[in-house]
Amino acid sequence: DADVTQTPRNRITKTGKRIMLECSQTKGHDRMYWYRQDPGLGLQLIYYSFDVKDINKGEISDGYSVSRQAQAKFSLSLESAIPNQTALYFCATSDASGGAVNEQFFGPGTRLTVL
Amino acid sequence: QKEVEQNSGPLSVPEGAIASLNCTYSDRGSQSFFWYRQYSGKSPELIMFIYSNGDKEDGRFTAQLNKASQYVSLLIRDSQPSDSATYLCAVRPNSGNTPLVFGKGTRLSVIA
Repeated sequence: DADVTQTPRNRITKTGKRIMLECSQTKGHDRMYWYRQDPGLGLQLIYYSFDVKDINKGEISDGYSVSRQAQAKFSLSLESAIPNQTALYFCATSDASGGAVNEQFFGPGTRLTVL
Repeated sequence: QKEVEQNSGPLSVPEGAIASLNCTYSDRGSQSFFWYRQYSGKSPELIMFIYSNGDKEDGRFTAQLNKASQYVSLLIRDSQPSDSATYLCAVRPNSGNTPLVFGKGTRLSVIA
């Protein structure tokens, strides 16, 4: 079984709809992240959480919100989807105990299309 | 603003050649450095990390770090068509508990 899972894997929705993307992990990591990726623009950090009670904005948080329901679950919501939020969304996790060399592990991604 | 810069490519190399991918970073106090490989439409996967000046080798891959020049590179020896992907450089800043900062990636194409 995959260590970091994302649901749904693909989603097509319409402008103005509320959308939730979910991320679950079995790695036991404290830290979780949400990124979006657009062609040619690399990974852009949306939100990150270092534990259940810690939520931080990333570089592009406008139009998004998150919820850390448990150590293993981190959800991303688009309150009112717009076409320029069409992108590939990745969840990632990392282990706080690894110190400076702890890598981030990525989920398989969710391809979101907003019409 | 902490930045990580990479040439977007594409970098084209013939099969069997050495591919050299480069990355520069702005935060002089950055602690550790990561190379991820990303196939089209897939998630990034870690190839190597390095945190000490010098070279680190793992199979066909060698990471090189020069902190004085704020430069990190990835060499891929005996390049194969399966190495064709986008390579992302990521840096852990000096400010402690912050996420990795990613470059935009270099697209590598290995020609058979």
